[in-house]
Amino acid sequence: GQNIDQPTEMTATEGAIVQINCTYQTSGFNGLFWYQQHAGEAPTFLSYNVLDGLEEKGRFSSFLSRSKGYSYLLLKELQMKDSASYLCAVKAWVSGGYNKLIFGAGTRLAVHP
Amino acid sequence: GAGVSQSPSNKVTEKGKDVELRCDPISGHTALYWYRQSLGQGLEFLIYFQGNSAPDKSGLPSDRFSAERTGGSVSTLTIQRTQQEDSAVYLCASSLKEGSRTSGILAKNIQYFGAGTRLSVL
Repeated sequence: GQNIDQPTEMTATEGAIVQINCTYQTSGFNGLFWYQQHAGEAPTFLSYNVLDGLEEKGRFSSFLSRSKGYSYLLLKELQMKDSASYLCAVKAWVSGGYNKLIFGAGTRLAVHP
Repeated sequence: GAGVSQSPSNKVTEKGKDVELRCDPISGHTALYWYRQSLGQGLEFLIYFQGNSAPDKSGLPSDRFSAERTGGSVSTLTIQRTQQEDSAVYLCASSLKEGSRTSGILAKNIQYFGAGTRLSVL
């Protein structure tokens, strides 16, 4: 089966660093996405990892270890506007002959002053 | 438009009525996906279109749910005889076809989402 786990909620202080973990057990792994979703809005693309290692993009970085089935999203210099849900999604090749995105339940991050 | 457009943004209906939700994908995106997001839950896959055909309908919860796509563009998701458990946000996403290239760069198959339709069944 396909399973993706991430913490339900996290809190952090403005200006700090927070790491959101995601573990997965999937077959046909073909990459991992992180999306940000503010309440009542569309999920927006943050990062994509297909090879092991760290991908850095401004204040956000994402790490992948395929052998451990593990990824994290690192947010630096937190701002109040970073309060949102962060969705981990695994791209997996499925029997229908295409790559399917399988989402975790999301981590709700609250940034406080 | 520049992004994925969904309508209506909110829909309140009575139990037993039929509803139609519309998705207008990004121009040029041949792949289209429908998801459902219940309060506090992750995105639940419903159906995937490549062009006008639906290779994967495995996520549709029951035969009350159906979807179609015409002209390789707009898609409609229809829920017949709505039930209270159908209340959720229905999200649509579109992407380039897997393996496609833009300016020689292999597409990551990033899915771009609309803002969703919030369906409330009373």
